[in-house]
Amino acid sequence: GAGVSQSPSNKVTEKGKDVELRCDPISGHTALYWYRQSLGQGLEFLIYFQGNSAPDKSGLPSDRFSAERTGGSVSTLTIQRTQQEDSAVYLCASSLNYDRDKQYFGPGTRLLVL
Amino acid sequence: GIQVEQSPPDLILQEGANSTLRCNFSDSVNNLQWFHQNPWGQLINLFYIPSGTKQNGRLSATTVATERYSLLYISSSQTTDSGVYFCAVDRDDKIIFGKGTRLHILP
Repeated sequence: GAGVSQSPSNKVTEKGKDVELRCDPISGHTALYWYRQSLGQGLEFLIYFQGNSAPDKSGLPSDRFSAERTGGSVSTLTIQRTQQEDSAVYLCASSLNYDRDKQYFGPGTRLLVL
Repeated sequence: GIQVEQSPPDLILQEGANSTLRCNFSDSVNNLQWFHQNPWGQLINLFYIPSGTKQNGRLSATTVATERYSLLYISSSQTTDSGVYFCAVDRDDKIIFGKGTRLHILP
């Protein structure tokens, strides 16, 4: 079946604008994860969903970041009033269940804030 | 919070060589995973291994949870093994990554 897909693949925006990133997980996967990777840096965990619920949102970098998941499927990560330090690759992954199953990653969204 | 340290940070090997990558973590964890990020940025989960030993082809991993470390073994390395290997641990609804080991296999 299809893997994890993310859109857009690339996004260039101006500082102060809002952006919305989308993740379509593998069908049937109940767990969905968002990560961020800044240029040349390691991976930073942002948030995960089990179904439509995110047990802990404290990994989001600031209150400008929000995430939601509807219907146990598609998730959106929204960044309001973008800043240059938000520039990074935003990665989404999904797994059958949280905490016990292999994660499958999407190709990422490359965000550049000018 | 939990600290995850990977070693070595960089490794350059000749094709055909074997290697061992290490991941130390500072506290008990719910699970541990190894990932490979290829030079084009694609991430692949290699092992989900909270404890014990698993093997997949030329790769194997061992986690000794009581001693808080995990090892990733790569045997008969190939140029396609190049990239960054990340270890990640899971605790309290958070996933913490190490900084990775950058592996470069020379043909």
